[in-house]
Amino acid sequence: NAGVTQTPKFQVLKTGQSMTLQCAQDMNHNSMYWYRQDPGMGLRLIYYSASEGTTDKGEVPNGYNVSRLNKREFSLRLESAAPSQTSVYFCASSTDRVGGYTFGSGTRLTVV
Amino acid sequence: GESVGLHLPTLSVQEGDNSIINCAYSNSASDYFIWYKQESGKGPQFIIDIRSNMDKRQGQRVTVLLNKTVKHLSLQIAATQPGDSAVYFCAENGGGADGLTFGKGTHLIIQP
Repeated sequence: NAGVTQTPKFQVLKTGQSMTLQCAQDMNHNSMYWYRQDPGMGLRLIYYSASEGTTDKGEVPNGYNVSRLNKREFSLRLESAAPSQTSVYFCASSTDRVGGYTFGSGTRLTVV
Repeated sequence: GESVGLHLPTLSVQEGDNSIINCAYSNSASDYFIWYKQESGKGPQFIIDIRSNMDKRQGQRVTVLLNKTVKHLSLQIAATQPGDSAVYFCAENGGGADGLTFGKGTHLIIQP
């Protein structure tokens, strides 16, 4: 099915470990985004990529890095995980900023 | 800074009644608003959007109203069904390329 695919769906990390969250979309969208969602809160933007080859910081970028590998793929990396990064992470894509976003099903990350 | 907020965290309605979910925004430059539905364990799903040059837009069983004078929008769901139970987020796209700003969400609970 067309859409946004995120892997893995669940992950447990120890403090200090690193990992990369993968995201791919097959809708030929230009823009891609990484959000985190904490309990009782809305989604907060971590990083975004307005087009292939560009990335920019969002509201909460500290502790994360991203790579826009190609038009389809946008990965999020935690170099040294901290308990404060326990959250549900959503990737999204859109044609451009004025369109609706399509979200992936999320990655539930726990850092112990 | 600018923010998007919701008036009530939880809304409980009887099955078959109409639901109204409210949202206030503060960025007067926002020109595009979206309502998302998020079911438990899933990513947000696009419901309906509205641009600032409109004050009403209707979809299937849903209507969004925008009042720019008081910076308020609402989502009306007609004849609420059990499948409507979810968290509903309003989001604004304030003009930059950095993605949507989300409110904290309203949890809609359907009573049988």
